[in-house]
Amino acid sequence: ILNVEQSPQSLHVQEGDSTNFTCSFPSSNFYALHWYRWETAKSPEALFVMTLNGDEKKKGRISATLNTKEGYSYLYIKGSQPEDSATYLCALLSGSARQLTFGSGTQLTVLP
Amino acid sequence: ETGVTQSPTHLIKTRGQQVTLRCSSQSGHNTVSWYQQALGQGPQFIFQYYREEENGRGNFPPRFSGLQFPNYSSELNVNALELDDSALYLCASSPDRGPSGLDTQYFGPGTRLTVL
Repeated sequence: ILNVEQSPQSLHVQEGDSTNFTCSFPSSNFYALHWYRWETAKSPEALFVMTLNGDEKKKGRISATLNTKEGYSYLYIKGSQPEDSATYLCALLSGSARQLTFGSGTQLTVLP
Repeated sequence: ETGVTQSPTHLIKTRGQQVTLRCSSQSGHNTVSWYQQALGQGPQFIFQYYREEENGRGNFPPRFSGLQFPNYSSELNVNALELDDSALYLCASSPDRGPSGLDTQYFGPGTRLTVL
């Protein structure tokens, strides 16, 4: 059974601050690591699919890295904006059904 | 391109009743997965349907069952509802698996089920 831990559970930052959160996992027995962004009352939105070769992914001010040897992935947000406020979920893609095993998320609040 | 839709958005049932939740997958997607998100937790995998057949199942009892139709829309049925079934139920669709098998899952907004 895969175990996915995310930290911190919640985070408040000021507009313009840069921030990062962690997704950790004890085993590399998965196909890929997914990051999702989930705003209240909306659908979870895919941010990145991290493959096991560990390439950094970037989309605008948001980037992510994956270290399978050490068992973690970082999500970075540079110059946080109020619209970045959301819950950020990481999930491991595994199993014959390619199902996602999620962490419990990091809730980010960016204060104006 | 229409995204994933779910109905209803909210539902209140009493213990012991049965419920059916519905999901329309994104155009061109033939795989639908269902997840349960209890309060304070991440979504948990219930099962997946691929081309109308169950393709994998998480740690949920048989009273959780599903269907996928020829148009790839899907239903989640829960019998003999229990209080702990109160949760947000998400469905996600994905296209046919490419060579890398890393296709993103596209989520609907969820159905909030409350069991009293």
